[in-house]
Amino acid sequence: NAGVTQTPKFQVLKTGQSMTLQCAQDMNHEYMSWYRQDPGMGLRLIHYSVGAGITDQGEVPNGYNVSRSTTEDFPLRLLSAAPSQTSVYFCASSYSNIGNLYGYTFGSGTRLTVV
Amino acid sequence: GQQVMQIPQYQHVQEGEDFTTYCNSSTTLSNIQWYKQRPGGHPVFLIQLVKSGEVKKQKRLTFQFGEAKKNSSLHITATQTTDVGTYFCAGPYNTDKLIFGTGTRLQVFP
Repeated sequence: NAGVTQTPKFQVLKTGQSMTLQCAQDMNHEYMSWYRQDPGMGLRLIHYSVGAGITDQGEVPNGYNVSRSTTEDFPLRLLSAAPSQTSVYFCASSYSNIGNLYGYTFGSGTRLTVV
Repeated sequence: GQQVMQIPQYQHVQEGEDFTTYCNSSTTLSNIQWYKQRPGGHPVFLIQLVKSGEVKKQKRLTFQFGEAKKNSSLHITATQTTDVGTYFCAGPYNTDKLIFGTGTRLQVFP
């Protein structure tokens, strides 16, 4: 099992450009989430999904879109990149264990710089 | 909104000393999770606590969930340099939304 795979690992964008961060998991997990982590900061939830076709907003959703057409994939789209979106982005997946959301498995992250 | 606070923000200890980080939620949680993130790495899931007052141990690490299920602690006995990193607690809000605490960065000096 590859676990959670994120691509690319590094990306530099110009202000106003759009791009998609890819995330795929091979564990058949129903839960998937995107987090951003700014230097020296904690993890803030951007969007999450509880299954294919179902997504919802997290703590900081503005400027980002997601879709979940399959169980495996959960891409994150930046609509019009801004310097404030410079961050490390983590994708994570998990499953429900006796009604409780179990611990997330994280990808290795995408380091995004917007200039 | 949901808030998960951790204290302290930073902790520097001499190798062999003990370390504790505390986690407090603004609302009652169905479970609490703990993660470790090494510098430059990604968060790694350590453990999940579900029951009120639950205590779990992993070698030198002891995790506790408060009676009211609003707070938790992680205690490391006799720290080692391999314990360096940031420790996060996290709790699910509205069942499905996992919100992370602010984290405690641990530095261990040999």
